[in-house]
Amino acid sequence: DAGVTQSPTHLIKTRGQQVTLRCSPKSGHDTVSWYQQALGQGPQFIFQYYEEEERQRGNFPDRFSGHQFPNYSSELNVNALWLGDSALYLCASSWAGDTQYFGPGTRLTVL
Amino acid sequence: GNSVTQMEGPVTLSEEAFLTINCTYTATGYPSLFWYVQYPGEGLQLLLKATKADDKGSNKGFEATYRKETTSFHLEKGSVQVSDSAVYFCALNSFGNEKLTFGTGTRLTIIP
Repeated sequence: DAGVTQSPTHLIKTRGQQVTLRCSPKSGHDTVSWYQQALGQGPQFIFQYYEEEERQRGNFPDRFSGHQFPNYSSELNVNALWLGDSALYLCASSWAGDTQYFGPGTRLTVL
Repeated sequence: GNSVTQMEGPVTLSEEAFLTINCTYTATGYPSLFWYVQYPGEGLQLLLKATKADDKGSNKGFEATYRKETTSFHLEKGSVQVSDSAVYFCALNSFGNEKLTFGTGTRLTIIP
């Protein structure tokens, strides 16, 4: 049974560019949450998707947007990248609000 | 709002020592409590959880008890191994507010 998968593993972008990160949830899970983890910090909640709708959002600007597809996979998009967006982006999946299971993350570096 | 205060690190112990990592929380309602572990270069793995007062979560020799009266969820292990070296995060969420709120993490290093 595959766990949560994320792609790509690493990504390097320059300021002002746009990026798309992808997540496939654990089998049987219908909810996807995204978190940003800056170096040396705990993860911060970005938003959560359920039934293809954004159900809850953290304190992140509109430059951060997402999407959930009918197969429950999800994308995180970040526009107008700046240096402070450099972080590990974590995807977590769950079923019906139960325990969240995390993927390995995508390491984004903005130069 | 919800918040988690976690014992500051880093923590360095010798192999077979007793481990305690403190975690206290502030939350509305009746939160579920979690410990996640992050090994170098990896994502977060669920270590254990507890969903109501006095519940004890346990896994791989680690334990934590949900103490509502002291709003705490301290992580303990009786005899640590070098392979336990990692960063440990305490977290919570609430019914109707499913986002996880994390502490700042505690880096644990075990010396042979």
